[in-house]
Amino acid sequence: DIQMTQSPSTLSASVGDRVTITCRASHSVSTWLAWYQQKPGKAPKVLIYKASNLESGVPSRFSGSGSGTEFTLTISSLQPDDFATYYCQQFYSSFPSFGQGTKVEIK
Amino acid sequence: QLQLQGSGPGLVKTSETLSLTCTLSGGSLSSSSRYWGWIRQPPGKGLEWIGSISYRGSPHYNSSFMSRVSVSIDTAKNQFSLRLSFVTASDTAIYYCARHGLELASISWFDTWGQGTLVTVSS
Repeated sequence: DIQMTQSPSTLSASVGDRVTITCRASHSVSTWLAWYQQKPGKAPKVLIYKASNLESGVPSRFSGSGSGTEFTLTISSLQPDDFATYYCQQFYSSFPSFGQGTKVEIK
Repeated sequence: QLQLQGSGPGLVKTSETLSLTCTLSGGSLSSSSRYWGWIRQPPGKGLEWIGSISYRGSPHYNSSFMSRVSVSIDTAKNQFSLRLSFVTASDTAIYYCARHGLELASISWFDTWGQGTLVTVSS
């Protein structure tokens, strides 16, 4: 099984801040990684797939990078709508697995 | 546009079988080249993939559930279903149905999600 570890678990930031979330895999997943945003009471929404591809309709302030075992999700200028929990997910191994989540809170 | 709607009992008794159905609207399962999956989220916790099925009925399961899980598809009804047997309190979760983002792939990210169904397991 491939374990996914996100850091930090919680992040406090202000509107306009540049925010970076890290996801580390226990084994290489190449670029087979996705990022999701989840708001309370809602289903997750995909932001990034294959490590750096922006899903259609997702604002360009979101970007993803990395390969192998280390990945980052960056929000270039945090907006009020971006306060949520973010998850990474690998789809390289025989079954997909998710990170534990990073909650982005208002500072 | 494509929408997924999950349905099923919100309360299941311990040791019984959890059964959920996901209905696709705005598209057709029979003409899709995608897999369709189930993911769950215990209250306040993270996400866990349970299993997926292709439009041809080929299943793929998380080995953690292998002996208890069954995913099936009914293209005539445009539905796919989850059955999880011998449930315990630890199976209490929001259960999501979702579409694989990558065509023809049993492993993928998920690009379209249902609204989620909260299932509580209690004696």
